[in-house]
This record gives sequence, structure tokens and C-alpha cells, in this order.
Amino acid sequence: QSALTQPASVSGSPGQSITISCTGTSSDIGSYNLVSWYQQHPGKAPKLMIYEVTKRPSGVSNRFSGSKSGNTASLTISGLQAEDEADYFCCSFGGSITLIFGGGTKLTVL
Amino acid sequence: QVQLVESGGGLVKPGGSLRLSCAASGFTFSDYYMSWIRQAPGKGLEWVSYITSTSSYTTYADSVKGRFTISRDDAKKSLFLQMNSLSAEDTAIYYCARDGGAHLGNYYIDFWGQGTLVTVSS
Repeated sequence: QSALTQPASVSGSPGQSITISCTGTSSDIGSYNLVSWYQQHPGKAPKLMIYEVTKRPSGVSNRFSGSKSGNTASLTISGLQAEDEADYFCCSFGGSITLIFGGGTKLTVL
Repeated sequence: QVQLVESGGGLVKPGGSLRLSCAASGFTFSDYYMSWIRQAPGKGLEWVSYITSTSSYTTYADSVKGRFTISRDDAKKSLFLQMNSLSAEDTAIYYCARDGGAHLGNYYIDFWGQGTLVTVSS
């Protein structure tokens, strides 16, 4: 149950696009299309942004998109806005009714 | 609307016990897998435990296995986490969380509570 690997921080200017990577193993990300992404603003509970690799819940902007290749998943945010500044966490099904989270990435909008 | 409200957090001494509760409303609680997820101060999210919709299966992170017990009372629409042999490493905000699928696990979290803080310190 080792944590998934995310960059500690990423940054971008308003209007730009950024991508956050999330690297796991062939036992988690590589084996299942069950990757989800969460946004967390300071002092708030996490919010689901992407599930099952590419799906967006109702109400989440289409500026957020997800993908996966091999053991690595990615979250792309296009048209960066100030309110996107937050922590982002990836998560994968780990088999046997378990979840594995990434360490989190702090997004700074310059 | 879906609501998850945790309670039971607080300050406890190392080696002590605590029982967290989560009151659910706004959905058919018995249909959903539920989970506890924690976040140490200034740190990332850590999955703690899962319970299936029929309580048939419970699973735990290695870090809490043998010390924590998850349970549910569908009649009272409540989820619980009994935490024993607590140590400083268990200090965190504990979130009650709903799995995204009814009847079967979908293995993502679509609703989170606001969390309850557990502090383990002498």
C-alpha cells in the first residue's frame, strides 16, 4: 500500500494549461481504470473532480480532464483560473476493496 | 441533499481509545459502501477503512489493521470507527466518505463529511 507519486507543486498563469501526474504501479493504476482526482481548498473537505480516469461529475467544469497511460494517470486543467489554486490528490483502487492516495500536489496560479 | 456529519473527535492520550460516528442523510445509506479517510495536519490524504453495503466485508490500511474497527448501523444511518491503541501518528482529521456507487463499490469518493479532528497527545 505505497502512496502514489505526485509532484509536490505545479504552477501556471491564468489562461494556461497545467498537467499533474500521478504514478503508481502495475498493481494499482496499471491494473484498473479506477483513478479519481480530488481538489481541496485550505480548511475544506476534498471535492471529487474526476472519477474512473476520465469522467467528470455533474457540476465540475469541463476545463478539468483526466487520462491514463500505463501506470501513470494525469489531471489536466485548461484555462487556469484563480479559483483553481488548491491541493490536488489522485487516488486509485488498490485491489481487495482498498484505496491508495497520492501525496498531493499544490497548484499555484501565478 | 447528501450530508455526512462526523462527531467523536477530540484529545486522547497515547494508548487510549476513541469512537468516531458519522450521521448520514439525504440518501439511502444502506445501499452504499462507506469509508473513513484521514489527513494528518499539513499532510496528504490516507485511506483508513472500507465497509461494504451489507457489512459483509471490511478492509483496513496496514497502518491501522488490528487497532481500528469500522462498523455501520443502517437503521440509524450511521457509520462508526472504533480506534484503539492510539499513537501520535494517528493524529489527523478523520473524514467520513461515501463511495460513488450504490450496491457495488465504485472505488471513488463522491461525498465527504467536514471531518472530525483526533489529537493523540500526552
